[in-house]
Amino acid sequence: TQLLEQSPQFLSIQEGENLTVYCNSSSVFSSLQWYRQEPGEGPVLLVTVVTGGEVKKLKRLTFQFGDARKDSSLHITAAQTGDTGLYLCAGEGGSGGSYIPTFGRGTSLIVHP
Amino acid sequence: DVKVTQSSRYLVKRTGEKVFLECVQDMDHENMFWYRQDPGLGLRLIYFSYDVKMKEKGDIPEGYSVSREKKERFSLILESASTNQTSMYLCASSFLDRGLRNSPLHFGNGTRLTVT
Repeated sequence: TQLLEQSPQFLSIQEGENLTVYCNSSSVFSSLQWYRQEPGEGPVLLVTVVTGGEVKKLKRLTFQFGDARKDSSLHITAAQTGDTGLYLCAGEGGSGGSYIPTFGRGTSLIVHP
Repeated sequence: DVKVTQSSRYLVKRTGEKVFLECVQDMDHENMFWYRQDPGLGLRLIYFSYDVKMKEKGDIPEGYSVSREKKERFSLILESASTNQTSMYLCASSFLDRGLRNSPLHFGNGTRLTVT
């Protein structure tokens, strides 16, 4: 059973457009991470959010953790071709309080020039 | 920077072969993980280890075993490879911070295994 649902699964946009990726769960997480994976490489951490309602910014990327710590979003402003990749969310401390991260299935983003 | 090194980027093996996937991390991390990644299924945890000689089953351990004889090395073993084990295999490590919280994962670049 997938505890973290990511949407959309695929996204194909033009350079300069804005987009939002969602990560939802019925479980409360103590923290949530976003990773980006480029072809042929392993996922790389973008950000960790810990506090309900927290907003973090990383240049053109804005991450938000839901007030109830069950959901998160990633918003990219004015997407660039370098943003192309697979975006993964992972939650910790979910069902049973496990410290083992649970991953969503990912959102594959393609940004066309 | 933490470096997690997987010994092979690509492997091609025959059905029934015993396959070893090796992973080494250089930052003295307590925890190490093996995931497989398949299109549409995301990352699925095979096994993890929180200390030398300790191992715990993940979500899909069937057909796999692991070995952690030294802190820096975590090996994934396919006892008798089958075609449904064709996949991308990712190794990761993490540490426990002062609050005993798990750090984010540091991943290797993956081993793409094809079983024919």
